Amino acid sequence: DTGVSQNPRHKITKRGQNVTFRCDPISEHNRLYWYRQTLGQGPEFLTYFQNEAQLEKSRLLSDRFSAERPKGSFSTLEIQRTEQGDSAMYLCASSWLTGGTYNEQFFGPGTRLTVL
Amino acid sequence: GDSVTQMEGPVTLSEEAFLTINCTYTATGYPSLFWYVQYPGEGLQLLLKATKADDKGSNKGFEATYRKETTSFHLEKGSVQVSDSAVYFCALRDDKIIFGKGTRLHILP
Repeated sequence: DTGVSQNPRHKITKRGQNVTFRCDPISEHNRLYWYRQTLGQGPEFLTYFQNEAQLEKSRLLSDRFSAERPKGSFSTLEIQRTEQGDSAMYLCASSWLTGGTYNEQFFGPGTRLTVL
Repeated sequence: GDSVTQMEGPVTLSEEAFLTINCTYTATGYPSLFWYVQYPGEGLQLLLKATKADDKGSNKGFEATYRKETTSFHLEKGSVQVSDSAVYFCALRDDKIIFGKGTRLHILP
C-alpha cells in the first residue's frame, strides 16, 4: 500500500498525559499537512511542512502541540498535557508541490484521539 | 479570512432522486474548489475539483461548476444510489485546504 499511513489508528488517554502520533506520507511527496476533525465538523488545518521545514501553523495549534518532520519524510504530532477538548480525529495529508502548482492532497485514515 | 459555507444536513433522499448540495465560498484570491467525500469508516477522498472560473468538475456521476460571479460550487447528481450515502465536504484551497462543515447524505432504497 503506497498511500498515506497514520499510527496509531486509535488512542485513548487520560487527561494530562502526553501523546504522539505518526504520519508516513506518500514517498516523494514534499508537502505534509496536519488537520483536526471534531465530531460533526469539517477538518481544520493545523500545520504543514515542505520537506523538513514547518511553514505555517494555525492559531488552533496551541503551545501544547508540536509537530516535526525531521528528515523530510515521516512526521510526528505531539500533544502535551492533553485536555478533553483535544479529543478529535487527527488527519495527515501529503502532496507534491511542483513549480508552484498545488497538486492533490492525499489523506491518511486518521488517528482518533479520546481524552478521558 | 477564507471560508466555505455549505448546506446543513442531514439530507435524506430516495434512490434515483436528484441531488443538490449547495456550497458558497469567500476568498480573497482565486482558489481551487473541491468536493471531498467521506464514506462510513473510511478516510477523506477527493470527489472532484475545479481550478478556475467556469470549470466543471465531474466524477462518478457527480458534477460541480466553479461560479465566480456567485462564489458558488454546488454539487449535483442526477440519480443518487444507496452507495452514495456519505458525508460530503466542500472545500477551497489556496495552499492549505479550508473545509465546510460537511453535509451528511442518506439515500433510502
